[in-house]
Amino acid sequence: DGGITQSPKYLFRKEGQNVTLSCEQNLNHDAMYWYRQDPGQGLRLIYYSQIVNDFQKGDIAEGYSVSREKKESFPLTVTSAQKNPTAFYLCASRTMHFDDQSQHFGDGTRLSIL
Amino acid sequence: KNQVEQSPQSLIILEGKNCTLQCNYTVSPFSNLRWYKQDTGRGPVSLTIMTFSENTKSNGRYTATLDADTKQSSLHITASQLSDSASYICVVSVSGGYNKLIFGAGTRLAVHP
Repeated sequence: DGGITQSPKYLFRKEGQNVTLSCEQNLNHDAMYWYRQDPGQGLRLIYYSQIVNDFQKGDIAEGYSVSREKKESFPLTVTSAQKNPTAFYLCASRTMHFDDQSQHFGDGTRLSIL
Repeated sequence: KNQVEQSPQSLIILEGKNCTLQCNYTVSPFSNLRWYKQDTGRGPVSLTIMTFSENTKSNGRYTATLDADTKQSSLHITASQLSDSASYICVVSVSGGYNKLIFGAGTRLAVHP
């Protein structure tokens, strides 16, 4: 089955620690996105990538970093500079074909502070 | 400022009843509007998509409407089922660029037996 796999489902971070969230897709999609979801708020874009080895900051990139070394993978690192990392993180991907602009989402990673 | 507002914030209905969720947007330039369903602890799943020229779109018991003049959309759920309990998110796509999406905060629907 084609889809987007996010791991782990739950993650805990200690003070001063960097943690990395995994996102893998086998949909052969070109573009990938990372969003943060907080209670009572709409999803906010952290980073996006439209092609391998290239990525752009979204609206709330501070304290986060990404890489796109392979088309299938777009890991997100939450660094110690992110002072309020507790949230639900969603990864999405999309083909660049004009007739299908849907972003397909993974099932998320919930990050909490220890 | 691009914005999507949804109402109500939460809603409780009895199984078998109908309900309507609202979405108002101020997004420019507009490309399309989608409704997503998000179960607790899961990622959003697309229900419908409408472009500027479309007034209504159905997907089973879900019917979405779009009034591009007033910049309003609604999602009507017919004969609700317990499995409809979820958050429903209105999402507007900005035309051009990298497929920027503006998300509403969602309406949390609870269907009770």
